[in-house]
Amino acid sequence: GAGVSQTPSNKVTEKGKYVELRCDPISGHTALYWYRQSLGQGPEFLIYFQGTGAADDSGLPNDRFFAVRPEGSVSTLKIQRTERGDSAVYLCASIGIYLEKLFFGSGTQLSVL
Amino acid sequence: GENVEQHPSTLSVQEGDSAVIKCTYSDSASNYFPWYKQELGKRPQLIIDIRSNVGEKKDQRIAVTLNKTAKHFSLHITETQPEDSAVYFCAASGSYQLTFGKGTKLSVIP
Repeated sequence: GAGVSQTPSNKVTEKGKYVELRCDPISGHTALYWYRQSLGQGPEFLIYFQGTGAADDSGLPNDRFFAVRPEGSVSTLKIQRTERGDSAVYLCASIGIYLEKLFFGSGTQLSVL
Repeated sequence: GENVEQHPSTLSVQEGDSAVIKCTYSDSASNYFPWYKQELGKRPQLIIDIRSNVGEKKDQRIAVTLNKTAKHFSLHITETQPEDSAVYFCAASGSYQLTFGKGTKLSVIP
């Protein structure tokens, strides 16, 4: 596709539920990132994939958060037992092999009630 | 890890005036410094970036300066227009991970 695509754009869930957020990066981009942005804050790094493997998951806040990228393209961020504090915009971004410019998707607004 | 501080958190200027946003970083290994503009409800958009082998870069009304010795870099917007109103984020990267500042909300008053 022409840009990074994220679905859904909005997700409302109840505390304790499980959610999956999807990211479809720019075609051919090998590196994929997940960031989280809380209201009034800058994007906060969660996890970085190079190909299929998570090269750095040090930003994941706890073990309720997990992300996969099984075929080196689409990635899914999974959050178990959601808490109200998980409410934020989850941004995905990708980079090509020879470029350092990070391009973001439109994000998923997650609201945990 | 890298730590990026950004000032001011809010900035109001009259249309036509200049705006300056400043950032400092902690990791001397960082070598890539992009700036993003984020309008309400939209994704962050890259507006300009600079690498550590360059001291200044301009693109029309926007310029970025970098002082590696002092570990700070700045965004300069000249002849501001109402459509420049947004939140601006600086970021720093040494390898693959961008660390962002907390943002500056710029308001351009017509």
